[in-house]
Amino acid sequence: EAGVAQSPRYKIIEKRQSVAFWCNPISGHATLYWYQQILGQGPKLLIQFQNNGVVDDSQLPKDRFSAERLKGVDSTLKIQPAKLEDSAVYLCASSLDVPSAWNLYNEQFFGPGTRLTVL
Amino acid sequence: AQSVTQLDSHVSVSEGTPVLLRCNYSSSYSPSLFWYVQHPNKGLQLLLKYTSAATLVKGINGFEAEFKKSETSFHLTKPSAHMSDAAEYFCVVSNNNDMRFGAGTRLTVKP
Repeated sequence: EAGVAQSPRYKIIEKRQSVAFWCNPISGHATLYWYQQILGQGPKLLIQFQNNGVVDDSQLPKDRFSAERLKGVDSTLKIQPAKLEDSAVYLCASSLDVPSAWNLYNEQFFGPGTRLTVL
Repeated sequence: AQSVTQLDSHVSVSEGTPVLLRCNYSSSYSPSLFWYVQHPNKGLQLLLKYTSAATLVKGINGFEAEFKKSETSFHLTKPSAHMSDAAEYFCVVSNNNDMRFGAGTRLTVKP
């Protein structure tokens, strides 16, 4: 089966510019995640969707970051305006469903990521 | 709140020797624990997971991990390292939707 697709793979922009990333999850996966992975750190969840609704966006810097999943399939993550500290790899992941009390874990499948450099 | 500490940022072993990557966790609940591997320019891949069943968990590529509640540890081991094991490894603690990744351990395998 096809994996999680992300584009672009690399992006270089200057601070205060805008940038958008795209993610297409595995077909049939209801849940989609965006993570930020800063160099030398583990991934940090930014936002989680189930279908086209937001489940968790508590760690999303909402003054500059936004994300949408309008049709419950692919998703875009936008940064406007970008700051130097936004330089990171942005990972998208998807899973069949959201973990619950009776189904502790739905495996997340990760895309290759988009490496953003802000100059 | 929950968190993960990977005790070594970098581990170097010779091919054919054992691998030990250490992970300690902190969680207010009975956690689910995972190890992921990240090869250069590739997505994260699940190696193995613990979800309150057997404490010794076997994963892919010969890796295994043991959940020790008394020590709050979930160390990853492999009896014999292969060159293809060189990668970044992440220990993850999860409670429902809240997944917390460790900072990662870079494994180098010398010929």
